[in-house]
Amino acid sequence: GAVVSQHPSRVICKSGTSVKIECRSLDFQATTMFWYRQFPKKSLMLMATSNEGSKATYEQGVEKDKFLINHASLTLSTLTVTSAHPEDSSFYICSALSTGRRKGNTIYFGEGSWLTVV
Amino acid sequence: AQSVAQPEDQVNVAEGNPLTVKCTYSVSGNPYLFWYVQYPNRGLQFLLKYITGDNLVKGSYGFEAEFNKSQTSFHLKKPSALVSDSALYFCAVRDMATDKLIFGTGTRLQVFP
Repeated sequence: GAVVSQHPSRVICKSGTSVKIECRSLDFQATTMFWYRQFPKKSLMLMATSNEGSKATYEQGVEKDKFLINHASLTLSTLTVTSAHPEDSSFYICSALSTGRRKGNTIYFGEGSWLTVV
Repeated sequence: AQSVAQPEDQVNVAEGNPLTVKCTYSVSGNPYLFWYVQYPNRGLQFLLKYITGDNLVKGSYGFEAEFNKSQTSFHLKKPSALVSDSALYFCAVRDMATDKLIFGTGTRLQVFP
């Protein structure tokens, strides 16, 4: 079964509004989570590394004020797309690093969230 | 810099035949290698990983991969392909300094009945 849960799976929002996507590790603690964006028929583009209890580390070219990341607990990271525009429409995927003995040294992915900005 | 290459954009194979999806890597130090599969409109599912130990790694859904240090390869294999194996496959290496996964460009596997 899924070990990383992502919600919502699909969301439609109006241009100019903000939308929040949640990523939860279900049966392990994750001090590190990652947020990706995937364009159609393309590989994943890493947006940022989310660290529990500290600020996220953004990849070059990703606007940190537009894509707010909060990693408030060891099982939850959120991505908020602020003032969304149609060009932000995409498939967003999170992943979580498991370092525990049972699922150790593996990065598990959520099911992804389709964002459509109209 | 660490990198992963998947030289084939698409692999076509008939159902029941063996399949191979190629991956080569370039890393400094020991590689942590992964294979993931992505079905349409879904996230990535973990298939298998190589960290250390036996060069032949067995994973989910009957897949396996062979780590070859001399050829810096980590090809994904399955003895008998199923139509349901049709999906997008990603090879990745973990950057141990940052924990980031560095992905290949993906290979689309098409299994024909």
